[in-house]
Amino acid sequence: GQQLNQSPQSMFIQEGEDVSMNCTSSSIFNTWLWYKQDPGEGPVLLIALYKAGELTSNGRLTAQFGITRKDSFLNISASIPSDVGIYFCAGYNFGNEKLTFGTGTRLTIIP
Amino acid sequence: EPEVTQTPSHQVTQMGQEVILRCVPISNHLYFYWYRQILGQKVEFLVSFYNNEISEKSEIFDDQFSVERPDGSNFTLKIRSTKLEDSAMYFCASSERGTGNTEAFFGQGTRLTVV
Repeated sequence: GQQLNQSPQSMFIQEGEDVSMNCTSSSIFNTWLWYKQDPGEGPVLLIALYKAGELTSNGRLTAQFGITRKDSFLNISASIPSDVGIYFCAGYNFGNEKLTFGTGTRLTIIP
Repeated sequence: EPEVTQTPSHQVTQMGQEVILRCVPISNHLYFYWYRQILGQKVEFLVSFYNNEISEKSEIFDDQFSVERPDGSNFTLKIRSTKLEDSAMYFCASSERGTGNTEAFFGQGTRLTVV
């Protein structure tokens, strides 16, 4: 099946730092999504990307859909304590009704 | 803001017992899903449901699993005879017009522990 690998697996940063994380796939996706999961909660959608090459922002978050359709990155600028959590990329292909989730990047902010 | 609600939040069951996990999707949504997340791992797709039938299922969703929309508001996942490896968080999700067109909203999950 399709695999989405995220890097890094975990990040330890100080408040105010910028964050960058990646997601790569073994195959093409038509749509890329970035979700955040807080402890004990379900994933919440942050950004959706629909076109290869697309760069989209949502506040301090910026994400890009790679030209090859096999990768995406998410940047968070000027991190704040509530950014702590696990970030998952997810891919979607037309014609089926499922999301394939990545392996996750756990973000921790060091006081 | 409308949300997907799941009950119970935590269920402990003995191996071999049947469990039913319940979900109330967002009221005007037409597509419903179950995903699971084994502790510390990624979220995995189980099944999608539209127009009162399964539209897609993963290899995880074997004969021990079934889904039902019994009364027009609830959406349930039944595991017939639980195994230890069924222990996981189970997330229900719904979307208005399908994942490709509209956002899928996730519930807070049911933590299933099989002992």
